Amino acid sequence: DAGVTQSPTHLIKTRGQQVTLRCSPKSGHDTVSWYQQALGQGPQFIFQYYEEEERQRGNFPDRFSGHQFPNYSSELNVNALLLGDSALYLCASSGGNNEQFFGPGTRLTVL
Amino acid sequence: LAKTTQPISMDSYEGQEVNITCSHNNIATNDYITWYQQFPSQGPRFIIQGYKTKVTNEVASLFIPADRKSSTLSLPRVSLSDTAVYYCLVGVMNRDDKIIFGKGTRLHILP
Repeated sequence: DAGVTQSPTHLIKTRGQQVTLRCSPKSGHDTVSWYQQALGQGPQFIFQYYEEEERQRGNFPDRFSGHQFPNYSSELNVNALLLGDSALYLCASSGGNNEQFFGPGTRLTVL
Repeated sequence: LAKTTQPISMDSYEGQEVNITCSHNNIATNDYITWYQQFPSQGPRFIIQGYKTKVTNEVASLFIPADRKSSTLSLPRVSLSDTAVYYCLVGVMNRDDKIIFGKGTRLHILP
């Protein structure tokens, strides 16, 4: 079991560009959540996908959007990148029980 | 999700037992208490989860008093590799709940 996987590992973009991050959940999990973690801070909840729909959303602007595919994998899209979007982006999957498993994250740097 | 309060940082020495206490006065009846460990630039890793009394696994113990308004994570005989940030989370954490992370406790183990 590969656990939660994310790609790419690292990414460098410039202001105004768009980025897509990918996540494959742990085998048997059908729910994917995305988090943004700035340096020295705890992860901040962005949104959660279940049955290919956004179920919960944190305090993030519409520039942040997502998608879940029939195989439960998910994408996080960020448009019009700002310097402040530089962070570690974490994906977590769950199967409806009381646990969330996190992936290794994608380090996004916006120049 | 119930708000949690935990110390910002703690220092200890190799071989010592470390106890990190978390306060969660507004815990709801259905809430579980879950602890995660996070190393720099990695995703949080599940350590332990409990509902009441005491839970023990191969990594840690979790002590929860009868009123459940606080909990204590106990790490036996810590090593340098236990240096990390530890997050206390309270909630049901299924697909209808979103995890809210605080700042966590930065544990520094000294030789």
